[in-house]
Amino acid sequence: GDSVTQMEGPVTLSEEAFLTINCTYTATGYPSLFWYVQYPGEGLQLLLKATKADDKGSNKGFEATYRKETTSFHLEKGSVQVSDSAVYFCALGSQGGSEKLVFGKGTKLTVNP
Amino acid sequence: GAGVSQSPSNKVTEKGKDVELRCDPISGHTALYWYRQSLGQGLEFLIYFQGNSAPDKSGLPSDRFSAERTGGSVSTLTIQRTQQEDSAVYLCASSPPGRTFTYNEQFFGPGTRLTVL
Repeated sequence: GDSVTQMEGPVTLSEEAFLTINCTYTATGYPSLFWYVQYPGEGLQLLLKATKADDKGSNKGFEATYRKETTSFHLEKGSVQVSDSAVYFCALGSQGGSEKLVFGKGTKLTVNP
Repeated sequence: GAGVSQSPSNKVTEKGKDVELRCDPISGHTALYWYRQSLGQGLEFLIYFQGNSAPDKSGLPSDRFSAERTGGSVSTLTIQRTQQEDSAVYLCASSPPGRTFTYNEQFFGPGTRLTVL
């Protein structure tokens, strides 16, 4: 079945450091890919998405490119801020059927001033 | 507009008791999902509703778990004879109708934290 593997962390960075969180997937067909973020004490929010190969999703300085050849969707940000401290989840959704989301286990990011 | 709401926000119960968790989706959203977030298992899909029917119940972990949706709106997740391993945060999400060639975004509620003593 479909699955998502992401680096589990935790990841601790200093402010203005470069961030990469790796995500790879296994799926049949052509899934859509997502990064969700969960800030402390808050619910899951969609951060960015990409629906087909070579699409780049971007939001709040974060970017991820849908790479079909490597089945990857790595999350990057050039300069993190303390306010980026959160748990980040990579997910995929397949069309047809229930369209449920399949999530990675999440990566906790802490950014220190 | 109003987002997905869930109640209660926290629920503490004793092992063996039944619990009901409620989800109010965004108005007009036809699809509704339940997920469970636990430390050991991450985020797991439980059940999917389209309108009032549940075409995918494959994630329900046992027959102690059931869910219903009425009026194409509110959904209730019921756990009977709760066990300690049921302790988790239960998340509800909804998504709008009108499927296109791309995947419809799911909007998540704040969750219900269930603790089984």
